[in-house]
Amino acid sequence: GESVGLHLPTLSVQEGDNSIINCAYSNSASDYFIWYKQESGKGPQFIIDIRSNMDKRQGQRVTVLLNKTVKHLSLQIAATQPGDSAVYFCAEIISGNTPLVFGKGTRLSVIA
Amino acid sequence: DTAVSQTPKYLVTQMGNDKSIKCEQNLGHDTMYWYKQDSKKFLKIMFSYNNKELIINETVPNRFSPKSPDKAHLNLHINSLELGDSAVYFCASSQDPGEDTEAFFGQGTRLTVV
Repeated sequence: GESVGLHLPTLSVQEGDNSIINCAYSNSASDYFIWYKQESGKGPQFIIDIRSNMDKRQGQRVTVLLNKTVKHLSLQIAATQPGDSAVYFCAEIISGNTPLVFGKGTRLSVIA
Repeated sequence: DTAVSQTPKYLVTQMGNDKSIKCEQNLGHDTMYWYKQDSKKFLKIMFSYNNKELIINETVPNRFSPKSPDKAHLNLHINSLELGDSAVYFCASSQDPGEDTEAFFGQGTRLTVV
């Protein structure tokens, strides 16, 4: 089975509020994680990444948190905007020569 | 310029036909991939090529045959199409397999087998 999964398949958020999308992974050997955003009719787009030797990384309006103890990853989006509506995937690289393994995705809907 | 481009964007075909999807990347990357996205949005790796050589084939039926004429192209040929092949297929590329670099994705090809 997949080693990456998500707690919430759908998430509805009021515009301007913060969003938190969660992801659980099962492979403790994973050393690199990426969050992707997929808008309707488009391919996944990189949002932010984090290495296993970090527990937090910030980008513009986005923050990724990594908790290796419980094998949990989250994506926080500040001041969510309508343009943030999309499906969000966490993905991991399990070891040095393997491609990205994707989780099941969470659909974020922003209510104006 | 589009970094990873795949054609066609939509493909409707009958069962039993043979079809190809083309992919090209202009990023100078060494590694290219094909992913399949099912109706539940789950993305699953199918193939991974590094410098024109196959490095990963994830239990994909033999009817699927990737071809890499050079490291900028990875085409997907599918023989004897079945209803279950209907999905969105994504091509992607990255600098090195497994390195800490993101994979760039094409816009996808929606394949519908009728």
